[in-house]
Amino acid sequence: NAGVTQTPKFQVLKTGQSMTLQCAQDMNHEYMSWYRQDPGMGLRLIHYSVGAGITDQGEVPNGYNVSRSTTEDFPLRLLSAAPSQTSVYFCASSYSEIAVEQYFGPGTRLTVT
Amino acid sequence: QQQVKQSPQSLIVQKGGISIINCAYENTAFDYFPWYQQFPGKGPALLIAIRPDVSEKKEGRFTISFNKSAKQFSLHIMDSQPGDSATYFCAASYDDYKLSFGAGTTVTVRA
Repeated sequence: NAGVTQTPKFQVLKTGQSMTLQCAQDMNHEYMSWYRQDPGMGLRLIHYSVGAGITDQGEVPNGYNVSRSTTEDFPLRLLSAAPSQTSVYFCASSYSEIAVEQYFGPGTRLTVT
Repeated sequence: QQQVKQSPQSLIVQKGGISIINCAYENTAFDYFPWYQQFPGKGPALLIAIRPDVSEKKEGRFTISFNKSAKQFSLHIMDSQPGDSATYFCAASYDDYKLSFGAGTTVTVRA
């Protein structure tokens, strides 16, 4: 199993550009989440999904969109990138029964200039 | 405003020493308290977790102590090794799948 995979590993965007961060898992997990990690802030929940077709907002959802058309994939879309979105983004997934044990991907480091 | 406050921000310990990281929370709805370990360039990985009906949990050299009345919990790393050098995050969950993380503690173990 590859676990949780994320692409790209690094990305530089200009202010106002849009892009999609990809996340996929091959563990048949129901729950998937997106977090951003900033120095001194820990990880903050952006959006999450409890299953295909079901998504909801986390702690810091503004400026981001998600969709979940399959169990495996959970892309994160930045609609109009801003410097405040410079961060490291992590995707995570977990079993429905033991949802607190989340498996994290390797992260995407995004810089917005 | 972070719901879980973690300290210290960083610590340095000699090989064989004890590392102690503390966390505090306010939301009494939290019902699960995991600790995650993160190495540079990697995603966090679950290290150990505890529920509030237990005061202590030990797995190998890692121990969580939990004080429900004080709303505090801590991670103790016994006999610290250079391979334990990493960033440690405490977290708390409600609604099972929503995690609130502390700010993280960078632990450096000197050989």
